[in-house]
Amino acid sequence: NAGVTQTPKFQVLKTGQSMTLQCAQDMNHNSMYWYRQDPGMGLRLIYYSASEGTTDKGEVPNGYNVSRLNKREFSLRLESAAPSQTSVYFCASRDGLAAKAFYEQYFGPGTRLTVT
Amino acid sequence: LAKTTQPISMDSYEGQEVNITCSHNNIATNDYITWYQQFPSQGPRFIIQGYKTKVTNEVASLFIPADRKSSTLSLPRVSLSDTAVYYCLVGNSGYSTLTFGKGTMLLVSP
Repeated sequence: NAGVTQTPKFQVLKTGQSMTLQCAQDMNHNSMYWYRQDPGMGLRLIYYSASEGTTDKGEVPNGYNVSRLNKREFSLRLESAAPSQTSVYFCASRDGLAAKAFYEQYFGPGTRLTVT
Repeated sequence: LAKTTQPISMDSYEGQEVNITCSHNNIATNDYITWYQQFPSQGPRFIIQGYKTKVTNEVASLFIPADRKSSTLSLPRVSLSDTAVYYCLVGNSGYSTLTFGKGTMLLVSP
């Protein structure tokens, strides 16, 4: 199993450009998440999808949109990139059925995005 | 969500035991305590989760006192490869999301 995969690994955008970050998981997990991590900060939740067909805003959703394409895939779109969106983006997934494993999220390797 | 407080950084030497304490005074009755580890340039990795007393796995031990207002992650005989940021999280299945604080940066030296 590959676990959680993310593409691309690195990306440089100019201000105003758009792009989509892709995430896929092969663990048959119900829930998927997008986080961003800035230097010296913990992870901040952008959007999440508790199950296929649903998406909800997290702590910092402004400037982003998401699509839960199917159970495996959850994409994050920047419609008009801004320098403030320079960050490392992590996708994660979890099995939402086991209460005790609630906090056991599996993370992808991250996408390093620079907006100039 | 229960607020957590943990040291910003800790230093240790190879072979020592490291204990990282997390304070969570307003933990709810049905909250679990979970720890994650993050290496540079990688996503966080689940280490251990517990509700009360002691939990041990192949990586670490988690000690939770009876009042559950704090917890201690114990890493036995650390090596250089244990240098990472360690996050303490508190919550339960009623919350759909995780809240990561700034974590504790553990630096292990030779």
